[in-house]
Amino acid sequence: GNSVTQMEGPVTLSEEAFLTINCTYTATGYPSLFWYVQYPGEGLQLLLKATKADDKGSNKGFEATYRKETTSFHLEKGSVQVSDSAVYFCALSGGQKLVFGQGTRLTINP
Amino acid sequence: GAVVSQHPSWVICKSGTSVKIECRSLDFQATTMFWYRQFPKQSLMLMATSNEGSKATYEQGVEKDKFLINHASLTLSTLTVTSAHPEDSSFYICSARARTSGNGELFFGEGSRLTVL
Repeated sequence: GNSVTQMEGPVTLSEEAFLTINCTYTATGYPSLFWYVQYPGEGLQLLLKATKADDKGSNKGFEATYRKETTSFHLEKGSVQVSDSAVYFCALSGGQKLVFGQGTRLTINP
Repeated sequence: GAVVSQHPSWVICKSGTSVKIECRSLDFQATTMFWYRQFPKQSLMLMATSNEGSKATYEQGVEKDKFLINHASLTLSTLTVTSAHPEDSSFYICSARARTSGNGELFFGEGSRLTVL
């Protein structure tokens, strides 16, 4: 079945550091891939998405590229801010359901 | 963008009582809604999928009689936790897929935190 694996957290970085959160997936067919962000006490918000191989999703300085050959969708940001502190979920959509990774908690220190 | 609203955002109840949580799509018609449960510091666990006008499809291990889901219209789904107990305390999140969505994108509610005393 479909599954998503994220790097384990928590991840703690200093402001302006480079961020990478790894995400790999297992899926049949050609799923769409997503990154969602959850700020403290809130629901999930779509951060970015990619619907086919080699697509790059980007938003708010975050980027992720759909790599079919490595079945990956790593999240990157060149310079993080304190306001980026949140839990990040990688997800794939295959059929009707959305399958989530376990989430990575990110803390950015000033 | 599309907005999904949950109500209440937090609720405290006594053990043995039932609690209803509403999920509304405010500016689009949602043919499918999903209910998730999130434990502290963990990922979202899909509980059930509901399609408008039909019975919900529950994931393995989720008690149908415990978590009643109704999707009476294209803009409203409800989750009722019956005879709640402290172990039902959790963060419940709904999401909705628009009728016109072609790539699987879901829109999430802000979540409802249930505390059972």
